[in-house]
Amino acid sequence: QLQLQESGPGLVKPSETLSLTCTVSGDSISSPNYYWAWIRQPPGEGLEWIGSMHFRGKTFYNPSLQSRVAISVDTSNNQFSLKLSSVTAAGTALYFCARQYCVGGCYHFDYWGRGILVTVSS
Amino acid sequence: EIVMTQSPATLSVSPGERATLSCRASQSVTSNLAWFQQKPGQAPRLLIYGASTRATGIPARFSASGSGTEFALTISSLESGDFAVYYCQQYERWPLTFGPGTTVDIK
Repeated sequence: QLQLQESGPGLVKPSETLSLTCTVSGDSISSPNYYWAWIRQPPGEGLEWIGSMHFRGKTFYNPSLQSRVAISVDTSNNQFSLKLSSVTAAGTALYFCARQYCVGGCYHFDYWGRGILVTVSS
Repeated sequence: EIVMTQSPATLSVSPGERATLSCRASQSVTSNLAWFQQKPGQAPRLLIYGASTRATGIPARFSASGSGTEFALTISSLESGDFAVYYCQQYERWPLTFGPGTTVDIK
């Protein structure tokens, strides 16, 4: 059974860089059929897609965050990571990692991690 | 970017009743639409993809239809575990976008 688990600091100071890791178990992150994604949800609000990455390096980012975001893949540890720089209080959210099915195109998110709450505060 | 809207914002339904949720896209997403269910403190769960295909393990009381810009999710007979927030999401075009959600609560 595929599992995704987010990890990282739960508190980040304003203007600093938010760094999270998602550890994948039950499947290889090097599978050609999937992208690996980050999605966030501010408290009490809806879902915002941050970006998706294929293990070969192809990446798509939300234009609203593109200048500050980077997603990378570590195939040796079956993990992928998110870095979001220059965070503000608006970055306080529950951050989810997810797997996105991509064969002949990119489609739905079929598996999600449980999420990690990151608070941006001094 | 494709903007997704959902209606109503909140739907109050009694257990055993039918619920129909709507989702609209600002431009055609063909059938590249998914529905998710989210309960408090949990990750979203994939219910429907391809606008009408139930994901693995999703009960038959969940059905969905639509294409282009108008979509619907129907829960034929609500059970206690179905009271949650439901989101639609398009994957026709990057950036991927979600609707604001419909809360289904107990009447």
